[in-house]
Amino acid sequence: DAGVIQSPRHEVTEMGQEVTLRCKPISGHNSLFWYRQTMMRGLELLIYFNNNVPIDDSGMPEDRFSAKMPNASFSTLKIQPSEPRDSAVYFCASTYGQNYGYTFGSGTRLTVV
Amino acid sequence: QKEVEQNSGPLSVPEGAIASLNCTYSDRGSQSFFWYRQYSGKSPELIMSIYSNGDKEDGRFTAQLNKASQYVSLLIRDSQPSDSATYLCAVNNAGNMLTFGGGTRLMVKP
Repeated sequence: DAGVIQSPRHEVTEMGQEVTLRCKPISGHNSLFWYRQTMMRGLELLIYFNNNVPIDDSGMPEDRFSAKMPNASFSTLKIQPSEPRDSAVYFCASTYGQNYGYTFGSGTRLTVV
Repeated sequence: QKEVEQNSGPLSVPEGAIASLNCTYSDRGSQSFFWYRQYSGKSPELIMSIYSNGDKEDGRFTAQLNKASQYVSLLIRDSQPSDSATYLCAVNNAGNMLTFGGGTRLMVKP
């Protein structure tokens, strides 16, 4: 099992550019989560999918952020346009039940200059 | 609002001592509880889960749960410098969602 796979590992972009982060959950996991982590705010849940359907997107900071899960093995988080305050580490995590906890991907470190 | 609270630390313990990490939560309906370890620059890694009141031991780690008092703790025996990391408490509230605490930074000094 390769675990949760995220790409890219690092992304540096200029303000105003579009950024797309990618995630492949563990096969068989039916729930997928996107988190953002900063020193100031810790881990923040952005959006949660269950069986490819968005269940809770209340954590998405604003309309510049969007997420999709077109199938059980792929999800994207898009920021358009990006701003310096979006700089953070973005984690994807997946699980197949409430008693199993999450498995996190390695994260994408985003820097917007 | 469902909350999970942890002391941010740093908690400093000498090598070989017992490190005690604590977490409180607000939702009495919570059923599943988890401890994650996060090394600097890495992703959170699940190290313990607990579902029933009492203690659960796994090697040098012991998780303790008291639902009446709404707290969960993690004890690390014979602490090693390699245990130095941030420890995140997570609580399952509804469906498959976890609420994370802010984490406690542990420093084990040789």
